[in-house]
Amino acid sequence: GAGVSQTPSNKVTEKGKYVELRCDPISGHTALYWYRQSLGQGPEFLIYFQGTGAADDSGLPNDRFFAVRPEGSVSTLKIQRTERGDSAVYLCASSSVVPDTQYFGPGTRLTVL
Amino acid sequence: GENVEQHPSTLSVQEGDSAVIKCTYSDSASNYFPWYKQELGKRPQLIIDIRSNVGEKKDQRIAVTLNKTAKHFSLHITETQPEDSAVYFCAASISNDYKLSFGAGTTVTVRA
Repeated sequence: GAGVSQTPSNKVTEKGKYVELRCDPISGHTALYWYRQSLGQGPEFLIYFQGTGAADDSGLPNDRFFAVRPEGSVSTLKIQRTERGDSAVYLCASSSVVPDTQYFGPGTRLTVL
Repeated sequence: GENVEQHPSTLSVQEGDSAVIKCTYSDSASNYFPWYKQELGKRPQLIIDIRSNVGEKKDQRIAVTLNKTAKHFSLHITETQPEDSAVYFCAASISNDYKLSFGAGTTVTVRA
């Protein structure tokens, strides 16, 4: 079946701009996670959704970052006033139950110039 | 929070030899330990996982061992092949939690 998909695969933006990153989880998966992976590092947790609600957003670095999942399926990670330090690969994962195997998407590579 | 350390950061092995990657974790409440393989530019893919109620798990050429007392777990790859070349990440999560805390990764190169 179809895996987790993310769009766009690459996003280049200028410092100060607003960006949206989209995640389509595996159909039927109720749990959705966002991670950020910097070059040469392991993924770092950002936020977790169970259904439509953000169950834990403790990994979001600051209030410029926000994520939604209005219908309990697709999720959008929103970054305001982007900074060069936001450059990284943003990974989305989903699982059918919690805790359970997390399946990752291919990621969105964000570059802030 | 959970802190996961992974060693070595790079590992080069001759084809056919074994590769071992070790991880330690800090929180004794952690009870789920997956291993992910990530090829360059690709998504992390789960290759094996272990829960704290078992000490070892095998899947063909891959095995994982867990020592809860020492708070460390290891990945063993036997009869390595060139397609095993990738970055491997260990991770841990706390009981009934959902956040995965990842190690920094090990770049494995299998020499033909």
